[in-house]
Amino acid sequence: QVQLQESGPGLVKPSETLSLTCTVSGGSISSYYWSWIRQPPGKGLEWIGYIYYSGSTNYNPSLKSRVTISVDTSKNQFSLKLSSVTAADTAVYYCARVLIAAAGNGGYYFDYWGQGTLVTVSS
Amino acid sequence: QSALTQPASVSGSPGQSITISCTGTSSDVGGYNYVSWYQQHPGKAPKLMIYEVSNRPSGVSNRFSGSKSGNTASLTISGLQAEDEADYYCSSYTSSSPLWVFGGGTKLTVL
Repeated sequence: QVQLQESGPGLVKPSETLSLTCTVSGGSISSYYWSWIRQPPGKGLEWIGYIYYSGSTNYNPSLKSRVTISVDTSKNQFSLKLSSVTAADTAVYYCARVLIAAAGNGGYYFDYWGQGTLVTVSS
Repeated sequence: QSALTQPASVSGSPGQSITISCTGTSSDVGGYNYVSWYQQHPGKAPKLMIYEVSNRPSGVSNRFSGSKSGNTASLTISGLQAEDEADYYCSSYTSSSPLWVFGGGTKLTVL
């Protein structure tokens, strides 16, 4: 059973960089896509971006200028960095596995999720 | 404002059936059979309930079913149970950017 666990600071100051890591256990990070998704308190879900195990990425254009997602296959981890944060970035951040068929003709859903971690942006 | 439109709330009594709609455009819901549905209980992570419009992952009750017509997808829950009370989110892959969009969520209340 694949499990994902987010880790990182729960409090970040305005204008600084939010950094989170997702550790994957029970399966290999290879051959899959991995995403970050966030949820502001009391609000809906927002897709942040994904990374393929090989390192290719795609980001939500609303965050693209501030987001970097990276992968470390040796540690079975992938990470999120979000720069120049403001109070609007306060949210529960989830990491998730993206299921996409090898031929690209199926899937496109999030099948495993981490428990989520609340990051508050405040001085 | 979310890219996909869902009703804010729906309710039903135990044993009844309810349907939650999810309306998008021809660039997302209408253009692909890549609509998925997630259940979220308070303080918990979302859980995949339906993928590719109408497929259920292993372990999800057959009381949950999905469908699509044009630019609108639907999630139907039959034989409502108290444990079904939760927030439900639809999601779709898109032909543009961002690659995935979500609905604003629907709060299901079991009366």
